[in-house]
Parts: sequence; structure tokens; C-alpha cells
Amino acid sequence: AQSVSQHNHHVILSEAASLELGCNYSYGGTVNLFWYVQYPGQHLQLLLKYFSGDPLVKGIKGFEAEFIKSKFSFNLRKPSVQWSDTAEYFCAVNAESGATNKLIFGTGTLLAVQP
Amino acid sequence: DVKVTQSSRYLVKRTGEKVFLECVQDMDHENMFWYRQDPGLGLRLIYFSYDVKMKEKGDIPEGYSVSREKKERFSLILESASTNQTSMYLCASSPTRTIPGAFFGQGTRLTVV
Repeated sequence: AQSVSQHNHHVILSEAASLELGCNYSYGGTVNLFWYVQYPGQHLQLLLKYFSGDPLVKGIKGFEAEFIKSKFSFNLRKPSVQWSDTAEYFCAVNAESGATNKLIFGTGTLLAVQP
Repeated sequence: DVKVTQSSRYLVKRTGEKVFLECVQDMDHENMFWYRQDPGLGLRLIYFSYDVKMKEKGDIPEGYSVSREKKERFSLILESASTNQTSMYLCASSPTRTIPGAFFGQGTRLTVV
């Protein structure tokens, strides 16, 4: 069965620090990969996604993620975080099989950025 | 913009009550999903539907059922609410499999007392 692991459950950073959130998945076939963000009191929003092509994808608000197939990883990065990046971040995987767009989510990483 | 609307933002129900959570999407998406979100557990899929009147169990379907009579509407039903169903419930929709990803509603925070 497919699964997604986010190893960092709670991260605290100071403003301007660099961010890297880990995401590993288990699935041997072709996958689509996503990072979603949930700001306090708001709904889940798509941050970035990888379908194919360049394994380094850029998303909104200066975030990027790198797909490393050999490591089954899709880590999220940002060179310099801001207080407004405080949110919960979810990695998700969609395997290219079956009739539906079923997303499997990780358990989330709560990021707190201190001013 | 795709809009996924959940009928209630907050609900408080009593143990044993039958609870209906409604979700409507306005983009003619084929696929719709119900997740619950709990701290430390992320999002877990309860049920999904890939067509009208079609439904499939997700990872945690026990204690829930769903209804999809129209393409735009997907209802989650708690037949007899229990306190362990206190959670945030998220509805999502997505287009065909060739365009993966999902759009989420704002969530319904359900408290069962």
C-alpha cells in the first residue's frame, strides 16, 4: 500500500532561516507529488506539484521542492522563511493507477516562524 | 476559481444523533472526497466517489456512509455520532485522473458531546 512519511512533526525557526521539510513515500510506480499548506483558520491550498520533467519544482511564495526518485523523496525548501509562513504543511502522493485521483497524505508538519 | 463549499463551519451534536455534512463543488468535477483531519494523524480518507451514485471506501470508513445523488454534491453521514468522531472534516473535489490533485473546502469542525 502507498504511504507518505513526514518525519518532522513540529519545526520552529526564526525569520530568515532556511527551511527544509522532509517527505518520503512508498510506491514503486509512477507518482504525482504535492505539497499543500494550511494557514491558521484557512483551508488547504496547493503549494506546488510534480508530475514529470524537471525534478526541481517551484511553487508559490518562494517555495520549491525536489523530487529524488532514487530516494523516494520530495522535500520542501525555502531559503528564507517569514513569519507569515507559519502554517501546517502536508505532503501528498497520487499514484497513477485506478480510476480516481486518490491522494495519500502525510501526517503534516507544523511550522512556527518566530519574528 | 474552483469552489468547494461545505455547508457548516462548526457543528455540535449529541452522541447518537444522525449527522449530515454537505459538500458542493461548482466545477463539474467527477471525483469527490471526504477526509478527516486530526492532530498528528494528518488527513485520512473516509470515502470517495468517482461518479454519481458511485462510492468507494477509503481508509477509515467505519461509522460513516456517503451519498452522491448529483454530480456537484457529496454528503457524509454519521449514522450514530460518537465522541471519537469529533474532528475536522474536509471535503475535496478533483477533475479527471489526467489532472491530478484536489481542491478543498474550508472544513467543518464537528464536536460530538
